[in-house]
Amino acid sequence: EPEVTQTPSHQVTQMGQEVILRCVPISNHLYFYWYRQILGQKVEFLVSFYNNEISEKSEIFDDQFSVERPDGSNFTLKIRSTKLEDSAMYFCASSDSGVRGDTQYFGPGTRLTVL
Amino acid sequence: GESVGLHLPTLSVQEGDNSIINCAYSNSASDYFIWYKQESGKGPQFIIDIRSNMDKRQGQRVTVLLNKTVKHLSLQIAATQPGDSAVYFCAERGSNYKLTFGKGTLLTVNP
Repeated sequence: EPEVTQTPSHQVTQMGQEVILRCVPISNHLYFYWYRQILGQKVEFLVSFYNNEISEKSEIFDDQFSVERPDGSNFTLKIRSTKLEDSAMYFCASSDSGVRGDTQYFGPGTRLTVL
Repeated sequence: GESVGLHLPTLSVQEGDNSIINCAYSNSASDYFIWYKQESGKGPQFIIDIRSNMDKRQGQRVTVLLNKTVKHLSLQIAATQPGDSAVYFCAERGSNYKLTFGKGTLLTVNP
């Protein structure tokens, strides 16, 4: 069964450093998303991406965040200058298009720890 | 604004019993709802979904009920098994396919 994959599974970084979280969505999916989950809290939407541009972003997704689809398979989330409060699980998701395109399938997540 | 919340943060059931997890939503314009299961250290796993033009949908051992009048969603799990122990989130879809998640209910199945 196709699945969303994410690397790395755990990223530790110093405050102020740049991190890039990587995702390989399910092939032939056209809609891509990033969510985050602070420990013990609910999953929060960050950004949606379609046709090589951002469709929607949340208040969390400020100028420090960016997304990119550098090739036909990867989808990345970059945080330019990490803050302590960026520590969280980051989930990538993808969905198909059309009538069955509503279901978002999530990857296993990257645990980001900012020290 | 949009909000999705859960009535109970924890639910403990005996193996073999039926489980019911509830969820309230506030955005009457939401047209699609999903239940996700999240096991420790893993990403949300799709369980079942329902569109706003339906009031009930059944899957394997799971049923989702939607009451648009009171903006209430529930997940019923039949014959709950130890492997069902997890946190369950309801989510509603808003604009541009953005999902808004509830806080989650921790389901514990006792043998």
